[in-house]
Amino acid sequence: GEDVEQSLFLSVREGDSSVINCTYTDSSSTYLYWYKQEPGAGLQLLTYIFSNMDMKQDQRLTVLLNKKDKHLSLRIADTQTGDSAIYFCAESRRDFGNEKLTFGTGTRLTIIP
Amino acid sequence: DARVTQTPRDKVTEMGQEVTMRCQPILGHNTVFWYRQTMMQGLELLAYFRNRAPLDDSGMPKDRFSAEMPDATLATLKIQPSEPRDSAVYFCASGLGSGGGLDTQYFGPGTRLTVL
Repeated sequence: GEDVEQSLFLSVREGDSSVINCTYTDSSSTYLYWYKQEPGAGLQLLTYIFSNMDMKQDQRLTVLLNKKDKHLSLRIADTQTGDSAIYFCAESRRDFGNEKLTFGTGTRLTIIP
Repeated sequence: DARVTQTPRDKVTEMGQEVTMRCQPILGHNTVFWYRQTMMQGLELLAYFRNRAPLDDSGMPKDRFSAEMPDATLATLKIQPSEPRDSAVYFCASGLGSGGGLDTQYFGPGTRLTVL
C-alpha cells in the first residue's frame, strides 16, 4: 500500500520504556525520520536513521530499522512526562526527481504517573 | 535562532470568505511545504516548492486553494471561498532540499483555521 502506518495510541508508565512502531512502504527510502509534535506546536525532528543502518542510539532514544520487513521503531528509555506528544515516522520518497517526506498517522504517547 | 514563522496563528472566518495564510521560511532554505492536519486525515501534504517553483500541488483542491511564493522569504496559501471542511491546522515547513540526502523539514507553529 501507499500508507506509512503507526498505531494511534500508546500509554506508558513514567520511568518505563516506550516503543513506537511504524511500517513504511518505499524500500528505496534513503532516510527514515521520527518527528515529535507537542500540543499546539508544529512537528520537530527528533531523530533519523540512514537506510544502510539497522540501529541508531541518541541518549534516551534508540531507533531500530528492519529493511526486510520495512519496519521502524523508536524506543524512549526512562519515559518522562515531557515525552507526552504525538510521534510521527516519515519516509523520504523520490517524486519526479524530488525528495518529499510521507508521514505516518502519528502515535499519541500518554504517560501514566 | 532561525525558525519558520506563520501568520496568523489563529483565524476564524465565515463560510465563503477568502483566507490567506503566510509563511516565512528559514533564510537560505530553498524548499517550502504546506501541510494540513486534521483529526480525521492526519497530516496531508498540500503543495511544495523548490527555489520558488511549485513542484507538486496535487494534494490541494484546485478549485479553491492556491499556493504561491512571491519571493524567497514569503509563501502564501489562499483559500477562496472557504468552507467548513477546510477547518484544520495548516503547517508550513522549509528545508534545504538536499536532493536525496538528509532532508530535514523545519515546521512552523501552524495556523489554526476555523470556518463557521
